[in-house]
Amino acid sequence: DAKTTQPPSMDCAEGRAANLPCNHSTISGNEYVYWYRQIHSQGPQYIIHGLKNNETNEMASLIITEDRKSSTLILPHATLRDTAVYYCIVPPYTGNQFYFGTGTSLTVIP
Amino acid sequence: EPEVTQTPSHQVTQMGQEVILRCVPISNHLYFYWYRQILGQKVEFLVSFYNNEISEKSEIFDDQFSVERPDGSNFTLKIRSTKLEDSAMYFCASSLVRANTGELFFGEGSRLTVL
Repeated sequence: DAKTTQPPSMDCAEGRAANLPCNHSTISGNEYVYWYRQIHSQGPQYIIHGLKNNETNEMASLIITEDRKSSTLILPHATLRDTAVYYCIVPPYTGNQFYFGTGTSLTVIP
Repeated sequence: EPEVTQTPSHQVTQMGQEVILRCVPISNHLYFYWYRQILGQKVEFLVSFYNNEISEKSEIFDDQFSVERPDGSNFTLKIRSTKLEDSAMYFCASSLVRANTGELFFGEGSRLTVL
């Protein structure tokens, strides 16, 4: 897997934007960047993924730098329910494995 | 919205016993996965399954583990002789396309406690 590096923890005030960074400097040209989250001990939940262009859906926005070596997940208006561990994953282009790292534990503060 | 369902939600077993964890993936999905998460640790990949055979497996997935899709709807994980260290939450997932090109849908997990 292209190795990803994320800060272990972050805080965000409720209602503010949460910006979660991820470094993936060894990413290759055809590998996607995925973001998932895990709320407490629930099953991981898909958030968003992208290849080169910035992406937005109803949950979040994904900003990928032009050199693709890093990305930022943006939760535009964080709520208490967004408190979770957020995983940035770059699965290898070949094969069918999908590995989770240690992620960023985001705490949304009232 | 379609979802992945897992049973049982919690199973307690004695060391050395066989355990079968069951999953019903989303009906039109083609790729299936098992993960585990030991309490306080990260989510670990165990195995992926496609076209009725294992496509990838991790070092954790040794001879004590097996997977099966017996009837076209269920996807099961069997642990032959459980050890204390098998105590974990086990997550099943499914996807329509390969994991590196699309979304994985996860179930809510089966908690296994080995005494």
